[in-house]
Amino acid sequence: EVQLVESGGGLVQPGGSLRLSCAASGFTFSNYWMHWVRQAPGKGLVWVSRINSDESDTTSADSVRGRFTISRDNVKNTLYLQMDSLRAEDTAVYYCARGALVNHAFFDYWGQGSLVTVSS
Amino acid sequence: DIVMTQSPDSLAVSLGERATINCKSSQSLLYSSNNKNYLAWYQQKPGQPPKLLIYWSSTRESGVPDRFSGSGSGTDFTLTISSLQAEDVAVYYCQQYFTTPPWAFGQGTKVEIK
Repeated sequence: EVQLVESGGGLVQPGGSLRLSCAASGFTFSNYWMHWVRQAPGKGLVWVSRINSDESDTTSADSVRGRFTISRDNVKNTLYLQMDSLRAEDTAVYYCARGALVNHAFFDYWGQGSLVTVSS
Repeated sequence: DIVMTQSPDSLAVSLGERATINCKSSQSLLYSSNNKNYLAWYQQKPGQPPKLLIYWSSTRESGVPDRFSGSGSGTDFTLTISSLQAEDVAVYYCQQYFTTPPWAFGQGTKVEIK
């Protein structure tokens, strides 16, 4: 059974940092692109960042580029999101999601999410 | 960037009746070389993560009930729930994967019971 379990969320002050983790199991993690998607309270889904299967290529949304860094450890089967210079507007539930093998296109499995609150 | 716009923002449908959600993209999602539309639909129930329902605009994910169907091509797409059940109360999102990044979602459509 595919499982994605996020951790590391919490309350952080503006300008602070946080690192999210997503532990993957039930599939060959190293074969798949992985993504982070966030959802502000009461709002819709917004794609944040993507990493390819061997970590050779990453890309991020304009709103987080230069502040957030996506990475992965294919030995530990874990995806990460390092979030620096956090702002109030980064407050959201952060989901890790697996990119489908077909064209690395849509997201076929999602974690339960980790809440990040940026507030003083 | 491609912009996805859903309509309506919310709808209330009686149990057993049909629910129809529309999704419009700012540019065509049809890839001519394989004749596939690069569009997916997700369902998000309250307090849960999104769940993939449909991809390639009309292919149901394994385990998704056949009352859910996707149609459309190019820039205009539809998700239809043929006979609404109580467990279908959720927010539904369309998403394009034709031109990435970014992977763009629609704003969501909330489906409730009338």
